[in-house]
Amino acid sequence: AQSVTQPDIHITVSEGASLELRCNYSYGATPYLFWYVQSPGQGLQLLLKYFSGDTLVQGIKGFEAEFKRSQSSFNLRKPSVHWSDAAEYFCAVGLYNQGGKLIFGQGTELSVKP
Amino acid sequence: DAGVIQSPRHEVTEMGQEVTLRCKPISGHDYLFWYRQTMMRGLELLIYFNNNVPIDDSGMPEDRFSAKMPNASFSTLKIQPSEPRDSAVYFCASSLGTGNGYTFGSGTRLTVV
Repeated sequence: AQSVTQPDIHITVSEGASLELRCNYSYGATPYLFWYVQSPGQGLQLLLKYFSGDTLVQGIKGFEAEFKRSQSSFNLRKPSVHWSDAAEYFCAVGLYNQGGKLIFGQGTELSVKP
Repeated sequence: DAGVIQSPRHEVTEMGQEVTLRCKPISGHDYLFWYRQTMMRGLELLIYFNNNVPIDDSGMPEDRFSAKMPNASFSTLKIQPSEPRDSAVYFCASSLGTGNGYTFGSGTRLTVV
């Protein structure tokens, strides 16, 4: 069955430090992969997506993610975190043979220390 | 574009009452999804539509839940009768084609007391 695992429930980083959020997926075919961000009381906003091609994808707000097929991973990175990045981050796999429906991980809550 | 519009933003109702959540997708999008978010279960897909037709409702918890999409610009999710365990944030999302990711609405926070 398809699934997404985000091993870290909560991460705290200092402002200006680098960030890496982990995501592992289980899917029998080449996946569509996504990262979303959710601020408190808000809906989810798409940060970036991977379909094919270059395994390093750039997104909004200075985020990037790297697809590693051998590790079934799609980790999100940012070189320097800003206080406004504090939010919850969701990784998702898109099932293109099932209407593109997304299976989400449980999310990682990011806190940023001043 | 105004994005995906959901109403109401907040709903408080008593157990046993009927609740109707509304969604207006982005114009031109052909897929519409209803998700539920809770602390315990995270984001769960309830049902999705393609060109107004329900395709997969396997995530609908039970017969108390029903969803309709009478036209391309409107969908409803109804709970009747509501129960306290239905308390959650309900999101509507729409997309153009498959594999493009979704645009989410701001959600409806439902509290059943």
